Amino acid sequence: EVQLLESGGGLVQPGGSLRLSCAASGFTFSSYSMSWVRQAPGKGLEWVSAISAGSDHIHYADSVKGRFTVSRDNSQSTLYLQMNSLRAEDTAIYYCVHCSGGICLQKWLDPWGQGTLVTVSS
Amino acid sequence: DIQLTQSPSFLSASVGDRVTITCRASQGIGSYLAWYQQKPGKAPKLLMHTASTLKSGVPSRFSGSGSGTEFTLTISSLQPADCATYYCQQLYSHPLTFGPGTRLEIK
Repeated sequence: EVQLLESGGGLVQPGGSLRLSCAASGFTFSSYSMSWVRQAPGKGLEWVSAISAGSDHIHYADSVKGRFTVSRDNSQSTLYLQMNSLRAEDTAIYYCVHCSGGICLQKWLDPWGQGTLVTVSS
Repeated sequence: DIQLTQSPSFLSASVGDRVTITCRASQGIGSYLAWYQQKPGKAPKLLMHTASTLKSGVPSRFSGSGSGTEFTLTISSLQPADCATYYCQQLYSHPLTFGPGTRLEIK
């Protein structure tokens, strides 16, 4: 069974940094692209970033480009999201998601982790 | 960027009703559309992919159709467990985008 377990969320001041982790199990992590999707409180889903299996293709939403960096350690089956220059509007639950298609195109995102809450506030 | 709109944004229906949610894309996306169901406090779950392929284990009362720019998700006979918010997502090109969601309430 595929399992995705996010960690690293918490309260951070505006302008601060945070690093999210997603520990994956139940599948060959190194063979699949992965994605981060976020959801602000009471709002809809917003795709954040995608990374290919070998980290050679990476995409970001314009809202986080230049501030967030996605990476992965295939030897540890772990996905990361380094978030810098955080803003109040980055407050959200961040979900780690398994992609069935290359660089998360053409197929679907499934399953999703349970999410980790990031709160940006002074 | 490809924009997705969903209608209606809110839907109240009775058990046993046939319910249809529409998702429209700002440009053609072939059949690269997925539908997700999200219940309060839970992560989204995949219902349908490539517009009309039901994920294994999802009840057959759910169906999807469409291609290009217009897609529909239909629940043939609404059940209490279907109370949730439904999102469409395009997987045609980056940035991936989601529709704004349709909240479905059981009367």
